[in-house]
Amino acid sequence: DQQVKQNSPSLSVQEGRISILNCDYTNSMFDYFLWYKKYPAEGPTFLISISSIKDKNEDGRFTVFLNKSAKHLSLHIVPSQPGDSAVYFCAASAETQGGSEKLVFGKGTKLTVNP
Amino acid sequence: EPEVTQTPSHQVTQMGQEVILRCVPISNHLYFYWYRQILGQKVEFLVSFYNNEISEKSEIFDDQFSVERPDGSNFTLKIRSTKLEDSAMYFCASRGAQETQYFGPGTRLLVL
Repeated sequence: DQQVKQNSPSLSVQEGRISILNCDYTNSMFDYFLWYKKYPAEGPTFLISISSIKDKNEDGRFTVFLNKSAKHLSLHIVPSQPGDSAVYFCAASAETQGGSEKLVFGKGTKLTVNP
Repeated sequence: EPEVTQTPSHQVTQMGQEVILRCVPISNHLYFYWYRQILGQKVEFLVSFYNNEISEKSEIFDDQFSVERPDGSNFTLKIRSTKLEDSAMYFCASRGAQETQYFGPGTRLLVL
């Protein structure tokens, strides 16, 4: 059951360049999408989110784009820094009557930013 | 900045033993969650908790698992009789009225 897919297990970019991480989803009920950053042996750290009523959200170096018709979202990091090296998880949730709104995660993409 | 905390950071136990994992969510949050990540696999949802009751649970969350909010600050996950396959990182998360969930640092559980 892969409702959220991150098809690239890894990505390597040069410092200063753009990093683009991609995520696809299959469940059309998802209405909220998040990106988390995770270091080994630590918890996921929230980066940025986007509601399904928007197609873009920007926060500093991080921008998330949502293409609802394609069921695709992407995270852009510009400029990339060595400290951005981590595993990035895409997650999605759907509004439920009970208010649970559990997150469904992708498998993650390991980003390496080379100095 | 408020954060979710979890204790212990590591727990080693024998198969069949009970473990209790503890979490202190962000103080004004109302929704609480447990997730786990088995090594090399996805982060997966276990259970959500709101208004002192379970609002949703996954297939993983069977009768061996329970959650409790024993006081105004702690949120616990109990595994009554641990199995080898329960070895994982367990993450607590919480959220307020907005939809963003904030995660704790995790407890690494190893069942021998």
